[in-house]
Amino acid sequence: AQKVTQAQTEISVVEKEDVTLDCVYETRDTTYYLFWYKQPPSGELVFLIRRNSFDEQNEISGRYSWNFQKSTSSFNFTITASQVVDSAVYFCALSALANQAGTALIFGKGTTLSVSS
Amino acid sequence: SQTIHQWPATLVQPVGSPLSLECTVEGTSNPNLYWYRQAAGRGLQLLFYSVGIGQISSEVPQNLSASRPQDRQFILSSKKLLLSDSGFYLCAWSEGQGYGYTFGSGTRLTVV
Repeated sequence: AQKVTQAQTEISVVEKEDVTLDCVYETRDTTYYLFWYKQPPSGELVFLIRRNSFDEQNEISGRYSWNFQKSTSSFNFTITASQVVDSAVYFCALSALANQAGTALIFGKGTTLSVSS
Repeated sequence: SQTIHQWPATLVQPVGSPLSLECTVEGTSNPNLYWYRQAAGRGLQLLFYSVGIGQISSEVPQNLSASRPQDRQFILSSKKLLLSDSGFYLCAWSEGQGYGYTFGSGTRLTVV
């Protein structure tokens, strides 16, 4: 079965703090894709990153960085020097060939990040 | 470029009334289409997906149904709404696994 676990339900930080959002996934497939999405209060889902199972290189995009470790089945997301505009719900998601739902994304339950000034 | 349209943005419906939410995609052909629901304070649950016209797969038994009458049109329906159908409904499309998934702006449904 495919599963995504985001153990942190809510995180509160003060501006300029670094924060890491955890994501642990389960799949028996060797080919799969991992995603992170941001959902601001307006509700739309904003794509942040896509990573395939064969690429374990960490990625950095501005203040955002992602740490993919197949050995621990984790795909963690770090925001450096957080800002109030980072306040949102963040979802980790998995797409696997063996997924019975075809290519559909399976989402974690999300982590609500609140950044205060 | 590809775009996805979803409407209406908000909807308040009485219990027992019908529902029709529409989603259309532009700028691509034969997309994979998906309907998700997000209940208040909860994650995104896959409701239906479609890999082609007339091909609908349901993930969760429920009071809802989906149809794909045209290649780039995906409709979510109900004959009689329940209170538990309230939530935020998102339509999405993808070219297939490994490609990006693009989401519509969502419909916030409140059943009263």
